[in-house]
Amino acid sequence: GQNIDQPTEMTATEGAIVQINCTYQTSGFNGLFWYQQHAGEAPTFLSYNVLDGLEEKGRFSSFLSRSKGYSYLLLKELQMKDSASYLCAALDSNYQLIWGAGTKLIIKP
Amino acid sequence: IAGITQAPTSQILAAGRRMTLRCTQDMRHNAMYWYRQDLGLGLRLIHYSNTAGTTGKGEVPDGYSVSRANTDDFPLTLASAVPSQTSVYFCASSEDSSNTGELFFGEGSRLTVL
Repeated sequence: GQNIDQPTEMTATEGAIVQINCTYQTSGFNGLFWYQQHAGEAPTFLSYNVLDGLEEKGRFSSFLSRSKGYSYLLLKELQMKDSASYLCAALDSNYQLIWGAGTKLIIKP
Repeated sequence: IAGITQAPTSQILAAGRRMTLRCTQDMRHNAMYWYRQDLGLGLRLIHYSNTAGTTGKGEVPDGYSVSRANTDDFPLTLASAVPSQTSVYFCASSEDSSNTGELFFGEGSRLTVL
């Protein structure tokens, strides 16, 4: 079956760096997405990786290793507003999105 | 900028009642989707539409129906609600159906079936 694994919850300190990992097992692969979802709100797009490597976008970076079925989202200089759930989703060979359950990130002062 | 508008924001209804969740987008996107989000589970696709006039079944379509009469509107109907349909429902759209582009989500409709 197809599966996305990511930690349920993580805690980090304001100003620090946190890495949220995601492993995927899909039938074929056409890319990996990260979305941010604040409590009670809609998910919003953060990144899309289809090639191996690191893509940086401001304080957020996303990494992909296709051979390992692994991705991570790196958040630097954490701010209180980064407290949210982070959703990992992989695109399978049929271009269907397979979603993880999300990682709830708690930022402490 | 409206993007995607969903209504109602929240609703409580009795089991067995019919309910339609409305979704309208103003971005002229071809593809639209309905997801449900439950605690501890990833977003699950209920139905989708690649373009106006066409619809398809997602991962969990039973008990739900959709229509896509035009580009902008994509209502989701529960013909006879059951408690297991208690969930938060998100409508989303994308420029095309390849899923390689960004998904734009509505603010969600929280549905409680008693």
